[in-house]
Amino acid sequence: GAGVSQSPSNKVTEKGKDVELRCDPISGHTALYWYRQSLGQGLEFLIYFQGNSAPDKSGLPSDRFSAERTGGSVSTLTIQRTQQEDSAVYLCASSPPGELFFGEGSRLTVL
Amino acid sequence: GEDVEQSLFLSVREGDSSVINCTYTDSSSTYLYWYKQEPGAGLQLLTYIFSNMDMKQDQRLTVLLNKKDKHLSLRIADTQTGDSAIYFCAEIPSGGSYIPTFGRGTSLIVHP
Repeated sequence: GAGVSQSPSNKVTEKGKDVELRCDPISGHTALYWYRQSLGQGLEFLIYFQGNSAPDKSGLPSDRFSAERTGGSVSTLTIQRTQQEDSAVYLCASSPPGELFFGEGSRLTVL
Repeated sequence: GEDVEQSLFLSVREGDSSVINCTYTDSSSTYLYWYKQEPGAGLQLLTYIFSNMDMKQDQRLTVLLNKKDKHLSLRIADTQTGDSAIYFCAEIPSGGSYIPTFGRGTSLIVHP
């Protein structure tokens, strides 16, 4: 596709369930980022991939959060045992590197 | 504290100029970006400036960089209602991992 694609666009889940969020970056972009945007907050850095490796996982808020990237392309962010405070918009961006190109985000609501 | 700071709100009248300010802490930043986020959408790059520049103009947008004070501003001339959005300032540090740091965003409200 022409841009960064994220799915699902909206996800409502019950507390304690696991969720997977997917990001399809722009073809050829080597860098991929996950950010979290909570209501009224800025962008909180979660994790950065260069190719398939993640040199910086420092932003992951807890061990319930994990991410992987395969084939230097698609990335999945997994949140286990979701909590209400995980409710946010999860934004993915890819980069050649240089400018970041953002997807529309996945809005997660944990009831 | 935050590495990149912005005021949270700005309200202007249609046709006036808007100035959104940002301060950053990393003096080694090589690139500084302005992103725009419309409701329910992702972030779109508006403009950027290299750290060796003082000013960049692009149509209605003017970016000013004061490296000494680590201050960045975005001026939107003849602001329109379609400019209403959240504007994020971001810095890219030099060296090490290429991880942009974003401010909390400034909500620009344009009223008739």
